Amino acid sequence: QKEVEQNSGPLSVPEGAIASLNCTYSDRVSQSFFWYRQYSGKSPELIMSIYSNGDKEDGRFTAQLNKASQYVSLLIRDSQPSDSATYLCAVINYGQNFVFGPGTRLSVLP
Amino acid sequence: EAGVAQSPRYKIIEKRQSVAFWCNPISGHATLYWYQQILGQGPKLLIQFQNNGVVDDSQLPKDRFSAERLKGVDSTLKIQPAKLEDSAVYLCASTQVGGRTGELFFGEGSRLTVL
Repeated sequence: QKEVEQNSGPLSVPEGAIASLNCTYSDRVSQSFFWYRQYSGKSPELIMSIYSNGDKEDGRFTAQLNKASQYVSLLIRDSQPSDSATYLCAVINYGQNFVFGPGTRLSVLP
Repeated sequence: EAGVAQSPRYKIIEKRQSVAFWCNPISGHATLYWYQQILGQGPKLLIQFQNNGVVDDSQLPKDRFSAERLKGVDSTLKIQPAKLEDSAVYLCASTQVGGRTGELFFGEGSRLTVL
């Protein structure tokens, strides 16, 4: 079992819709969870971090964490074509390492 | 504030040749990471430094890859000899306090093509 798993996509949503991105992780002791966005040919950039169960909202982005289910999600409301990118889920594991998932490619259609 | 600097941006070599990548992290960042990102995949950790000490190099193919961080600042990643499967983007990232804040700052990456 890989440490961090995501659906590879592509996930296509129409402009203005809600995009839902999911991530599961295997290390039960992980405490820190992150979503990074990576545009094609660019480096990853942090968009959300979450450390406690529940929801965390920042503008159009909402991160959700359920430690019992070892599940993290990212919702993007009012999706825009500029949101088209690969979204990487990352977890700090027991070894204090950042472990990235394979990423989900999101395409927002005008 | 200057970001993470990496060079070269692009490198094309033939298999069995050697290559070296350089990274200069953000000033004051104690933790430095090298990741390998193969096209269509997420970044894979190769090595993590805390100051000039190695924290984790469990996924570094030590028969061909080596890395050092002299004086706890700049770092170099070397591949010798290169294989076709080493074609990837090599990302350097740094963070301020052991990484718990989550803010990894990435360089622009070094894209390696092995022919």
